[in-house]
Order: sequence, then structure tokens, then C-alpha cells
Amino acid sequence: KAGVTQTPRYLIKTRGQQVTLSCSPISGHRSVSWYQQTPGQGLQFLFEYFSETQRNKGNFPGRFSGRQFSNSRSEMNVSTLELGDSALYLCASSAGTGVRLGTNSPLHFGNGTRLTVT
Amino acid sequence: DQQVKQNSPSLSVQEGRISILNCDYTNSMFDYFLWYKKYPAEGPTFLISISSIKDKNEDGRFTVFLNKSAKHLSLHIVPSQPGDSAVYFCAASERTYKYIFGTGTRLKVLA
Repeated sequence: KAGVTQTPRYLIKTRGQQVTLSCSPISGHRSVSWYQQTPGQGLQFLFEYFSETQRNKGNFPGRFSGRQFSNSRSEMNVSTLELGDSALYLCASSAGTGVRLGTNSPLHFGNGTRLTVT
Repeated sequence: DQQVKQNSPSLSVQEGRISILNCDYTNSMFDYFLWYKKYPAEGPTFLISISSIKDKNEDGRFTVFLNKSAKHLSLHIVPSQPGDSAVYFCAASERTYKYIFGTGTRLKVLA
């Protein structure tokens, strides 16, 4: 089974521009999450989608948005880029469905998109 | 407010010995905990999980212990191998798919 695929792997953008990152989850997985990783900050949760609906959202400004398509593929958009947005953006999928009760399917991550804002 | 903390940024262990990675949390409503390993230029790889109804879970060389009263979990790797050298993250969630991650511990296994 193919893993989580993220494109592109690397991006260089200029301050003020916008960017769209893409994620294809593991086949059959309907939950897709996005995380930002920066040095010293670990992984920060951005948002989670299930069946085209955003179920959970982290503490990021409105410049960060996402969506999920009917085939579970997801995109993340960052508008008006700032230097501080430079980070590794990770997408993860899960086989979980409804409200998570106790144990459930863990997150499976892609290799990320490295965004550099200059 | 860092709800999940990994207070040791790095750890060095001799090959064949035990590696113990620690994680503390503050939210008593967390009910599911995960450990991930991350190599440079790759995404995190799932290692092992534990539900709050258990206090121990084993998978091969990896064992996770959960102490709910202390709000503490640990990952034991026995025996440690050079290929285990990576950054390890713990994560926790409260009945949703929103996971809170620690800042990671860099493990170096010395041959």
C-alpha cells in the first residue's frame, strides 16, 4: 500500500506570496491532518479534515487554510507569506472514522514539504 | 502552554544498552499516546501507542509505559541499535484526531 504522498518536496517563495501544498493520503484513509515543524517547536497542529469537513483546528492565523476533496486528497494554502512561515509542513492520514474512542488508528506521515520564505 | 513536554533534548546510549526516553503531559484528559521516530529529511514514523486504560504496551524491542498519576510516559528501547539514532517524539490526544506533540529527543546510539 502506498504511503502518504506530499508534493512538492521543496518550495522557495518570497514574502507576500501565497503557496499551496498537496497531500494524498493512504488509500482508504479519510482523516487528513496537517502539522508545521520548526526547529525547537516540535510539530504544531494546523488542522484536520474528515470527509471534506474540517473537524479540528489549531492556533494558527487565518492565513493558513486547507481543504479536502471527495477522494480524501487534501491541500493546504498559506497566503501572504511571512519569513516565519519557513518550516517543514507535514501531512498525516489516519484510518480512524468518527469520534476517536480510546485506541484508534495512529497518524501516518508523509515526508513533508520544506517551505523556505525569503 | 506546552501540554506535552520532552525535557531531554538529547540522549546518548551505548549499543546494546537500554534507551529510555521520557515524556510528561499536563492534560489529564489525554487518553491516547503515541511515539514516533524521525530521521532527517523524512516524515515521522509511527512506533508504538498506548491507551490510557493500560499502563504498558510492548512491540518487539519497544515498550511504552504510562503512569497516569504522574502524567508521565516513557519509551524503552532494548537493546539499542545504531539504526535507532533519530529524533523521537511523543504525542497525545484527547478523544480527537488533534495530536499534541512534544519537542522531541535526539537519541544517539554509539557503536
